[in-house]
Amino acid sequence: GAVVSQHPSWVICKSGTSVKIECRSLDFQATTMFWYRQFPKQSLMLMATSNEGSKATYEQGVEKDKFLINHASLTLSTLTVTSAHPEDSSFYICSAIRGLSNTGELFFGEGSRLTVL
Amino acid sequence: AQKITQTQPGMFVQEKEAVTLDCTYDTSDQSYGLFWYKQPSSGEMIFLIYQGSYDEQNATEGRYSLNFQKARKSANLVISASQLGDSAMYFCAMDAEKLTFGTGTRLTIIP
Repeated sequence: GAVVSQHPSWVICKSGTSVKIECRSLDFQATTMFWYRQFPKQSLMLMATSNEGSKATYEQGVEKDKFLINHASLTLSTLTVTSAHPEDSSFYICSAIRGLSNTGELFFGEGSRLTVL
Repeated sequence: AQKITQTQPGMFVQEKEAVTLDCTYDTSDQSYGLFWYKQPSSGEMIFLIYQGSYDEQNATEGRYSLNFQKARKSANLVISASQLGDSAMYFCAMDAEKLTFGTGTRLTIIP
């Protein structure tokens, strides 16, 4: 079964609203989680590294105020797309490391498809 | 339910040799896509190759080829003439009802 769960798997929202996506590690504690974005037929783009108890590390070009990441516990990281617009429509995927950051296993969530009208 | 299985947690290969990374999948969907991604230490996921379930020809992209055996439900990635820069984690993924990733294979190229 899945070891990393994302919710919701599909969300449609109106332009200007905010959407929160949850990423949970189901049977292990994850100090580090990652958030990715996938554009159609393109690579997964790493958006940020989420560390429990500290601020997320954002990749260059990713707006911190637009994509709020909160890693409040060792099993939950959330991505909030604030004031979403149609160009934010995409597939958002999280992953979590089980074990040490350098040698642990990386598990992916099943993704959340966001459509902004 | 969908499932992707990568049975090789790690591989060590001599530089310039060819390497095959295994991937088997399970789905009840008739239409699906299979992907391979490379993840260097930077964390970025780099798209390598795509195979559609109805594609009759095996996909190829430069040094990468996908050995698609539909009856066996396998989609192995073949890297020819491996290079030191190929050292990375490699993930197989399937897009059917949902996007599902395998657990990855850590490939290390030895000089």
